[in-house]
Amino acid sequence: DAGVIQSPRHEVTEMGQEVTLRCKPISGHDYLFWYRQTMMRGLELLIYFNNNVPIDDSGMPEDRFSAKMPNASFSTLKIQPSEPRDSAVYFCASSLLGDTNYGYTFGSGTRLTVV
Amino acid sequence: RKEVEQDPGPFNVPEGATVAFNCTYSNSASQSFFWYRQDCRKEPKLLMSVYSSGNEDGRFTAQLNRASQYISLLIRDSKLSDSATYLCVVIYGNQFYFGTGTSLTVIP
Repeated sequence: DAGVIQSPRHEVTEMGQEVTLRCKPISGHDYLFWYRQTMMRGLELLIYFNNNVPIDDSGMPEDRFSAKMPNASFSTLKIQPSEPRDSAVYFCASSLLGDTNYGYTFGSGTRLTVV
Repeated sequence: RKEVEQDPGPFNVPEGATVAFNCTYSNSASQSFFWYRQDCRKEPKLLMSVYSSGNEDGRFTAQLNRASQYISLLIRDSKLSDSATYLCVVIYGNQFYFGTGTSLTVIP
């Protein structure tokens, strides 16, 4: 298995532009999570899906952020318009929560810089 | 109060030393516990699960104390390659709660 795949690995964009981050979870995993990590706040859960349905989006900072999971093998996190304070590493993770002995598997992350 | 609390460190220890980290959690009904390791500019990776009876994996020992609501990670005979940030994770309901991580640097 290739693990959780995220793209792009790095993104540099100008303030006000739309940014789309992509994630392919591990095949068969029924939970998908989007996290943001900064030095100041550590890992923050933004939103998570169960069987492609958003369950909890209370961590999404504001309306500029949106996430979708159109099918079991793909999810997107969109920021529109982007702001410099959105600069962070965004991780996607997937899990088969019925087997909690194995925890999460994270993707390599997208390092976003908004200038 | 945060769901999961960790001492951020940093812990700077000499090679060969034994070091221990604790992580406290607030919800007594938490079900599952893990330790993750995160290297600089990399994603967190599962280090080990934490079982009620305690468990060991080579130089690493994880323990759970439900009465006092904390988990611990003990690293024996520290290696330079153990330098990383160690994150504890607590599961309650469908939620994974991450600590902010403890930074470890093993010095030659």
